[in-house]
Amino acid sequence: DIQMTQSPSSLSASVGDRVIITCRASQSISIFLNWYQQKPGKAPNVLIYAASSLQSGVPSRFSGSGSGTDFTLTISSLQPEDFATYYCQQSYTTPRTFGQGTKVEI
Amino acid sequence: QAQLVQSGAEVKKPGASVRVSCKASGYTFANYDINWVRQATGQGLEWMGWMNPNSGNTGYAQKFQGRVTMTRDTSITTAYMEMSSLTSEDTAVYYCATQIKQYRAGSWFDRWGQGAPVTVSS
Repeated sequence: DIQMTQSPSSLSASVGDRVIITCRASQSISIFLNWYQQKPGKAPNVLIYAASSLQSGVPSRFSGSGSGTDFTLTISSLQPEDFATYYCQQSYTTPRTFGQGTKVEI
Repeated sequence: QAQLVQSGAEVKKPGASVRVSCKASGYTFANYDINWVRQATGQGLEWMGWMNPNSGNTGYAQKFQGRVTMTRDTSITTAYMEMSSLTSEDTAVYYCATQIKQYRAGSWFDRWGQGAPVTVSS
């Protein structure tokens, strides 16, 4: 199975901050990497697919980059509604695997 | 709009089975695979498997092979996930999600159900 490792596991930030979350795959997955946001008690919501494509309806302050084994999710200016947990997920092969999550706190 | 509505919370005893349903509406049910993902309290997301609503073909994570069955009833556009031999470690919220596939972009989980809590306790 492909292991997905996110860092950091949690971070504290303020409104307006630039936030960067990284995700590393245990083997090359090309660009087959997605990012999700999950708020407490809610289902995840896709933000970025194929490493850098913004899902329709997602604010442009979210962006993704990377290929191969190393990927990043960037929030350019953190907003109050962005405090949540973020997961990366590979779609290169089955089983689909997720990172352990990054909790963004105030 | 497209949505997935799941069945309600379940409480089961160890060794029992549970079936969770996922009712699809607002899109053509046969066109998108349904995947199942679970999440234990305070933990991360764990992919369980997928089902093609058109063919009924399935694929399961090795961890769940032999214990999970994913089926569908196309007449009522509903997918099901049944898990047997439950233990306390199966206590989690179970999500269904549609999978979008795109050439040279891979796939991603687009629409999610609201989640179905399953508690396994004696």
